[in-house]
Formats: sequence, structure tokens, C-alpha cells
Amino acid sequence: DAGVIQSPRHEVTEMGQEVTLRCKPISGHNSLFWYRQTMMRGLELLIYFNNNVPIDDSGMPEDRFSAKMPNASFSTLKIQPSEPRDSAVYFCASSLSGAQPQHFGDGTRLSIL
Amino acid sequence: TQLLEQSPQFLSIQEGENLTVYCNSSSVFSSLQWYRQEPGEGPVLLVTVVTGGEVKKLKRLTFQFGDARKDSSLHITAAQPGDTGLYLCAGRKNRDDKIIFGKGTRLHILP
Repeated sequence: DAGVIQSPRHEVTEMGQEVTLRCKPISGHNSLFWYRQTMMRGLELLIYFNNNVPIDDSGMPEDRFSAKMPNASFSTLKIQPSEPRDSAVYFCASSLSGAQPQHFGDGTRLSIL
Repeated sequence: TQLLEQSPQFLSIQEGENLTVYCNSSSVFSSLQWYRQEPGEGPVLLVTVVTGGEVKKLKRLTFQFGDARKDSSLHITAAQPGDTGLYLCAGRKNRDDKIIFGKGTRLHILP
């Protein structure tokens, strides 16, 4: 069975550029989560969706970050404009419902030069 | 302030030794989970504990939830190189709350 699929796996870009990260959750899962992982701060929840609706975006660092879930099988996390401090590994996870165990993708390693 | 404190941050031991890592909080959690994350991959759920005092075993791994549901431990018996990874604990205060992760214990088992 396919797990959570994220793309790209790696992204290197210059500061000021727009970055779009993509996620395909496990089919049938109703909840989707975006996380950011750094050595300093660990794994932080940025935003999560339930049935394609954003439920909690309190973890989104600032207005440069936005996330969408246009349908049950696709979500994007966009950073515009990107800054060096956005460099991190970004994970997408999905679950059957908000309270169920989460299944993580393999992440996107983002480097902003 | 980190809601879930994990210790130690790093641990490097020889194959065959036993070890325990800890996850502590001043808050009560309705459930707590342990994940293992290997380089280049996302975290993978190992276990969920929900009852104070609960003990769960997964082969050589033993997980315990504290009686007061504020802390948890993971004990590994006869560690093997395949146990190497980042061990994350994650808790949920109430059933419908978002999950909160600790920073993890990075474990390295030397062959």
C-alpha cells in the first residue's frame, strides 16, 4: 500500500524565491498534518486539516507560509518569499481522523541559500 | 519551554547493552506515543499508551506510561545496531487535541 507521498524530496533555492511542497495523503485518511523539523526546535506542527478544512494553523510561523488542501488527495505548503531560516525538513502526515495514529511521509529537505 | 522533555538527548552504547530513555512532563496526557525515525525518513509509530501504569512490549522494547500519566519510559534490552535512530515521544492532552512532540533521543548502537 502506498504511504504518504511527498515531493520534492530535496529542494535547494535562493532566498526570496517561492517554494511549494506537495503531499498526497494515504487514501481514505481524513486528516492531514504539516510539520517542520529542525535540530534546534524538533518536530513542530505547522497546520492540520480535517476533511480538507484547515482546523488549526497556529503553528504557521508567519504570513509567508500558506497551506491549501483543494481535495482529499492533495495538499500544498507554500513559502513566499523564502528565507534562509526556513531551511528544515518538512513532513506531511495523515491519519484516519484527528485522534488516530499519524503516518508520515519521508519529508522534503529544504535548503534556502 | 518544551512541554515534553526527553532525556538523554544523545546516547551511544555497545551492542548487547540495555538502555532506558525518558519522556517527562509537568502536564497530564490522555495518551502518549513513541515513534522511531531513521535518517532520511519520517517518524514511524511504535506504540500508543493510554492508561496510567500501562506497560507494553514490542519484542525487545518495553514502554511504560507513568501512573500519573505525566511521563513515560522506553527500555531496550540487548540493543542491536538496527535500533539506531531518533526516538520521539508525543502526547495528546485530550482526545481531540493536536499531538505535541518532544525533541527526541538520538540513539546510536555500536556494533
